[in-house]
Amino acid sequence: KAGVTQTPRYLIKTRGQQVTLSCSPISGHRSVSWYQQTPGQGLQFLFEYFSETQRNKGNFPGRFSGRQFSNSRSEMNVSTLELGDSALYLCASSLDGVPGTGELFFGEGSRLTVL
Amino acid sequence: AQKVTQAQTEISVVEKEDVTLDCVYETRDTTYYLFWYKQPPSGELVFLIRRNSFDEQNEISGRYSWNFQKSTSSFNFTITASQVVDSAVYFCALTDLTTDSWGKFQFGAGTQVVVTP
Repeated sequence: KAGVTQTPRYLIKTRGQQVTLSCSPISGHRSVSWYQQTPGQGLQFLFEYFSETQRNKGNFPGRFSGRQFSNSRSEMNVSTLELGDSALYLCASSLDGVPGTGELFFGEGSRLTVL
Repeated sequence: AQKVTQAQTEISVVEKEDVTLDCVYETRDTTYYLFWYKQPPSGELVFLIRRNSFDEQNEISGRYSWNFQKSTSSFNFTITASQVVDSAVYFCALTDLTTDSWGKFQFGAGTQVVVTP
């Protein structure tokens, strides 16, 4: 069974640019969550999508957005990049995203460096 | 608000020693779930164990064991006879059953475990 796949694994951007990250969940999983991991703030929840709808959102500015497609694949976008956006962005999938029904399965992440 | 505290930043041990990772949590909910995840250098968080708030039974699974105590809001994790491959960052996480928690885990800061031969 294939795991969660994230692309690209590494990317370098400059301030002001935008970036799009992709996540393919485990087959059959309909919930996709995104997390930002930085040395200073740790793992922080960005948002969660289920059946193409955003059901939950963390405390991030509007520059961070996402979407989910009918095949459950998800993308997140960060516009007008800032130096502080440099981080490991982790995608996680689960069957339905409902707490208590299972764990989150994580991908290896996309490491974004903003210069 | 939920909060997970992992006071240990880094633990260094020699192979075959036992390692205990501390986790203290805060939540106002009576039903919640606690997790331990491992993050090796590759970056992927690997699920280790899940416990719900109604099950305080402590178990052992291979070299892993955990101690869940609601009275002290602690969910500690022990690796017995550590191996070099256990070197990783370990995260404790908490979630509840509210709609605010869809897809959302509250993670601790993580504890870096370094096992040397």
